Amino acid sequence: DIQMTQSPSSLSASLGDRVTITCRASQTIGTSLNWYQQRPGKAPKLLIYAASTLHSGVPSRFSGSGSETDFTLTVSSLQPEDFATYYCQQSYSNPHTFGPGTNLEIK
Amino acid sequence: EVQLVESGGGLVQPGGSLRLSCAASGFIFSDHYMDWVRQAPGRGLECVGRIRNKAKSYTTEYAASVKGRFTVSRDDSKNSVYLQMDSLKTEDTAVYFCARGSFGGGYYYFDYWGQGALVTVSS
Repeated sequence: DIQMTQSPSSLSASLGDRVTITCRASQTIGTSLNWYQQRPGKAPKLLIYAASTLHSGVPSRFSGSGSETDFTLTVSSLQPEDFATYYCQQSYSNPHTFGPGTNLEIK
Repeated sequence: EVQLVESGGGLVQPGGSLRLSCAASGFIFSDHYMDWVRQAPGRGLECVGRIRNKAKSYTTEYAASVKGRFTVSRDDSKNSVYLQMDSLKTEDTAVYFCARGSFGGGYYYFDYWGQGALVTVSS
C-alpha cells in the first residue's frame, strides 16, 4: 500500500494568516492527490482533487500544488470556518490511503 | 441536492454481525461508484470497501483489514449501498461513512459523504 504522511501534525495560526500543509507519498502518484477538510463531529468535505483542481463551491483561498510524491495545500487568508483537520488522500492505487491529518487550530 | 444517509449502526459483541445501509438521493445513483470509509475514535480515515457501477460489473475492493469479513453490495433500484460486517472485532469500532465516488479528468475522489453511522464492538 502507498503510505501517506503529512506535516505538521498540528498547526496554530491566526485569522488572516497564510498556512501551508505538506503531504508526501511513499511512491510516485502523479497528481492523483485529494484534499479533504473535516470539522469536529462532521463528515469530511472535498476541497481539492487532482492535486490542484478546486472542487465546486470551495473558496478560492484554498489552493493545492505538487506532483509525484510531494504536495501542498495552502490557505491564503484563514477564516474562522477554516479551523479544522485536513487530510490528503492518494487515488493512484488501491487502497486509496489517507494521510494521518493536520489539525489546524486557532492561535 | 445530493444526500447520503447511513443507518444501521449500533452496539454489537465481538464476533457478531451488523449491516449498514446508505440511502442516496439527488443524483443518478447507478452511474456512480460508492465507497465506505471509517474513522476510529480520535483517529484518521480508512477506506474500507468500494463497489463499482454496473458498467464495471459491480466489482468490489476491500481493505486488507476487513477482507473476508466485510461485504459491500448495492441495489440500484433502491438507490442504496450496503456494508455487511461479519466476525466483528473491537478494532472495527468506528464511525462508518458512505461516500460517493466521482471522476474528474480521470481522477477519482469522494465528492459527497454521509453523516456517518457509529459502530461499537464491545462485550
